[in-house]
Amino acid sequence: DAKTTQPPSMDCAEGRAANLPCNHSTISGNEYVYWYRQIHSQGPQYIIHGLKNNETNEMASLIITEDRKSSTLILPHATLRDTAVYYCIVRFHGSSNTGKLIFGQGTTLQVKP
Amino acid sequence: SQTIHQWPATLVQPVGSPLSLECTVEGTSNPNLYWYRQAAGRGLQLLFYSIGIDQISSEVPQNLSASRPQDRQFILSSKKLLLSDSGFYLCAWSVRQIHTGELFFGEGSRLTVL
Repeated sequence: DAKTTQPPSMDCAEGRAANLPCNHSTISGNEYVYWYRQIHSQGPQYIIHGLKNNETNEMASLIITEDRKSSTLILPHATLRDTAVYYCIVRFHGSSNTGKLIFGQGTTLQVKP
Repeated sequence: SQTIHQWPATLVQPVGSPLSLECTVEGTSNPNLYWYRQAAGRGLQLLFYSIGIDQISSEVPQNLSASRPQDRQFILSSKKLLLSDSGFYLCAWSVRQIHTGELFFGEGSRLTVL
């Protein structure tokens, strides 16, 4: 699975959009981009995933660049409860896939009032 | 609906004592199962994964072992705990299919080895 690079920490004002970047310059054509988050002392929670098109769900939007070498997770209106570590993960989808996820260090997002 | 249970939630064990953490999944069949560990201030490390009964793969050499005696039961064990085994242990499951989706995590077990 391709390696990802994320900033270690970011701040965001409550009510504003939080834009979390992720670089994955070695991503291959059959690798998806996944985002998870982990609130303190809890298990990680799935947010969203995509291959090459932008994706949106009730939690967030995922913007993937045309060359797929980077992506941005957008929380449109951040709340204090969005304070968490956000993980960007690139994972192969294929017949040999075991479903496992390899987590990096992630970005600690601090939403401030 | 599917649920995942882990226990115990917290435990404090002396160095050299044995360990057994248990995880069960309900509401699904033939899941992939995973054990992760998170040391204090560190990221999540995949320890073991399993695609079926008695089919366990280890990701890193360590003092721990895993077993899957039943389809929806995953157990993490150690014969003799080390101080470095302290951490937050998370069990997870996913649907077993070619194009897999998300992992569903339990609430975790916090282990302190003294």
